[in-house]
Amino acid sequence: EAGVVQSPRYKIIEKKQPVAFWCNPISGHNTLYWYRQNLGQGPELLIRYENEEAVDDSQLPKDRFSAERLKGVDSTLKIQPAELGDSAVYLCASSLTTGQGYADTQYFGPGTRLTVL
Amino acid sequence: AQSVTQLDSQVPVFEEAPVELRCNYSSSVSVYLFWYVQYPNQGLQLLLKYLSGSTLVESINGFEAEFNKSQTSFHLRKPSVHISDTAEYFCAVSAFYFSGGYNKLIFGAGTRLAVHP
Repeated sequence: EAGVVQSPRYKIIEKKQPVAFWCNPISGHNTLYWYRQNLGQGPELLIRYENEEAVDDSQLPKDRFSAERLKGVDSTLKIQPAELGDSAVYLCASSLTTGQGYADTQYFGPGTRLTVL
Repeated sequence: AQSVTQLDSQVPVFEEAPVELRCNYSSSVSVYLFWYVQYPNQGLQLLLKYLSGSTLVESINGFEAEFNKSQTSFHLRKPSVHISDTAEYFCAVSAFYFSGGYNKLIFGAGTRLAVHP
């Protein structure tokens, strides 16, 4: 079974430029997450989708960040314009949410390492 | 709100020696607890998790963790480490809701385990 696929793996841009990250979750997983991992820190949730609906975007900086999950499968995370402080690893994860009150295992992709110069 | 503290940012150890990676959490509600491992240039992988029942949980590669409610800890241990265990280890917590629903993962900052020959 293929895991979570992310592209690109690395991206270097100048500040004020736009950038986009793509994620393909595990087949059949209805829940998709985007995390940001700053150097020396653990991942922090940016946005969570259940199917096509963004059910938690409270940590997404909406002035410059946007995300979409068309057809409830692939997702794209965009930053426009990028700032120096956006340099981080952006992780995508997916899970099959059963709704039974149990902690659904999240499966992570390898991440996209963004460097903003 | 929940929070996680990983008490050691780096743990150097010799091969075949025992190791303990410490994790403490704070929460006003019951929690699920997780350990994830991140090998170089790879995504996070679930190592083990505590949901309920026995407070001692084990992984397939010899790691174990014990949930201690009174000390709000979930330390990870292995009696004999291998070079291949060199990685970053993240402790995470998720609130348990009896009504089911969303389980947001809160990660610690990570502990880098370096196994030396």
